Amino acid sequence: QTVVTQEPSFSVSPGGTVTLTCGLSSGSVSTSNYPSWYQQTPGQAPRTLIDTTNTRSSGVPDRFSGSILGNKAALTITGAQADDESDYYCVLYVGSGIWVFGGGTKLTVL
Amino acid sequence: EVQLVESGGGLVQPGESLRLSCAASGFTFSDYWMSWVRQAPGKGLEWVANIKKDASEKYYVDSVKGRFTISRDNAKNSLYLQMNSLRAEDTAVYYCARILSGRGWYRFDPWGQGTLVTVSS
Repeated sequence: QTVVTQEPSFSVSPGGTVTLTCGLSSGSVSTSNYPSWYQQTPGQAPRTLIDTTNTRSSGVPDRFSGSILGNKAALTITGAQADDESDYYCVLYVGSGIWVFGGGTKLTVL
Repeated sequence: EVQLVESGGGLVQPGESLRLSCAASGFTFSDYWMSWVRQAPGKGLEWVANIKKDASEKYYVDSVKGRFTISRDNAKNSLYLQMNSLRAEDTAVYYCARILSGRGWYRFDPWGQGTLVTVSS
């Protein structure tokens, strides 16, 4: 059973920079896992942020960026704003047509 | 405008069946893989199933294999999820999502607003 790991929670100051990560229980994350990232606020549908090639979905500001850092996928928010306070999810392709979401990171901006 | 609208959720008893629908508009539906993703109350997102453009390939999370069937009608721009033998642990908001892809990348984009399925006696 493949598990995708994310920090359960993270805190950032307004204007600060934060990097959230997305790992694999079975080893390193690579571009072949096609990581992508999603933002969700309570009661709302997920909003697509960014994919493996660091391409942002329509309307997503450029202070959101994606990368592979070491053996994990990473989402970096530069210049955090109050409305960035949300849950963030990554998803990875683990082979054989199967995708697995991480447990999500609750980001607090304070 | 690209839009996905789910319907068909509701309250059912354990063991019963339900069929969810997702109406797509604003894009050429038959050109894209599609997906169902669910979220149990207070929990994270869980990928459920994917279906290829022409329905020739379908993939499922282990927990729903043999009980759920993903399908599509490209003439009606619609995606479906037939859910049989429902269990309490299937209680969730079910989202449909388009899968965008290119050379070396994939993303679920956009998402519908979701439909709530509650399995309880």
